[in-house]
Amino acid sequence: KNEVEQSPQNLTAQEGEFITINCSYSVGISALHWLQQHPGGGIVSLFMLSSGKKKHGRLIATINIQEKHSSLHITASHPRDSAVYICAVRSRYGNKLVFGAGTILRVKS
Amino acid sequence: EAQVTQNPRYLITVTGKKLTVTCSQNMNHEYMSWYRQDPGLGLRQIYYSMNVEVTDKGDVPEGYKVSRKEKRNFPLILESPSPNQTSLYFCASTSSGDYNEQFFGPGTRLTVL
Repeated sequence: KNEVEQSPQNLTAQEGEFITINCSYSVGISALHWLQQHPGGGIVSLFMLSSGKKKHGRLIATINIQEKHSSLHITASHPRDSAVYICAVRSRYGNKLVFGAGTILRVKS
Repeated sequence: EAQVTQNPRYLITVTGKKLTVTCSQNMNHEYMSWYRQDPGLGLRQIYYSMNVEVTDKGDVPEGYKVSRKEKRNFPLILESPSPNQTSLYFCASTSSGDYNEQFFGPGTRLTVL
């Protein structure tokens, strides 16, 4: 079993829909990152979480440390949100980063 | 402009020919790292560095070397490349403090024949 599991693997949505991507992990962590990778390959950092909830524009990220689970929400989705969304965790006992396999999101107009 | 640069962006080489991929950041970040991305395997950490002269192995360090002689540069060295090192490589630097944002370079696509 991977240390970081994302679901779903693939997601297709209609423009305007509310989207949720989930990330579960099995190790103690000091931080969790959400990243976005565009079709051209560039990677952008969206959020770093160690507790609670963060919001940036239409994106919201939450984390539940006790349940070892994080969610990334996109409100009012748009075709430009189409990308791969990647969850990564930093172990509490070191500084390595472990990545989930990514969720491929396609938003249709 | 805050950025991480990598060179070269594309490289085709042959087995055994030593190569270096450079990485440089202009944000004075202490933490830098190298990743490789392969279809079906996602991103995996190769090496990371907490500061100058401090480096440590990630999940897939075999066949790679790194050095951190200055804060801004973190080159990735393949002493004797092999075809299984054909991959897309990303360098990243991370800010410290509460926000901890990662800044990724544009990627280097390496093919080893």
